[in-house]
Amino acid sequence: NAGVTQTPKFRVLKTGQSMTLLCAQDMNHEYMYWYRQDPGMGLRLIHYSVGEGTTAKGEVPDGYNVSRLKKQNFLLGLESAAPSQTSVYFCASSQTADTQYFGPGTRLTVL
Amino acid sequence: AQRVTQPEKLLSVFKGAPVELKCNYSYSGSPELFWYVQYSRQRLQLLLRHISRESIKGFTADLNKGETSFHLKKPFAQEEDSAMYYCALVMDTGRRALTFGSGTRLQVQP
Repeated sequence: NAGVTQTPKFRVLKTGQSMTLLCAQDMNHEYMYWYRQDPGMGLRLIHYSVGEGTTAKGEVPDGYNVSRLKKQNFLLGLESAAPSQTSVYFCASSQTADTQYFGPGTRLTVL
Repeated sequence: AQRVTQPEKLLSVFKGAPVELKCNYSYSGSPELFWYVQYSRQRLQLLLRHISRESIKGFTADLNKGETSFHLKKPFAQEEDSAMYYCALVMDTGRRALTFGSGTRLQVQP
């Protein structure tokens, strides 16, 4: 089992560009989450999904969109990147949500 | 709104010394609390959860509802304990997402 994987690992964007981060899990988990990690602020929830075809806003959803068309995949989109979105992005999945399993992270820089 | 506070950004101890990483929370409902750990160059992973009342790698944490705390303790620190530690809270709702504290870096010196 690969667990939770994230693509890409690193990315540099210019302001205004768009991109999609892919999260995939092979554990058949219902719940999936996107967090961002900024220095001194821990991890903050961007969006989450409680099952295939469902998505919901988290703590800091502005500037991001998500889709969960397949149970194993959770996509995070940035339509028009801004420097404030420079961060490390973590995806996580869980079944009962007692334990969340995290991906390795994507380091995004927006110039 | 729920909130998790970890007052120490960095905690530096010597090998063999006791360790206590502080975590306080604010939540009006019945919280579920966790400690997650991130070792260097590894992904974030669950260390322990309060409902299990278990000891993992010598670490324990007791939920104190009166003081709204969930401090992480270990009697004798090891160098391999050096890592970033996050306290996290899950609300008892269908969302099941984690609210994290800002983290404490534990540095165990030889």
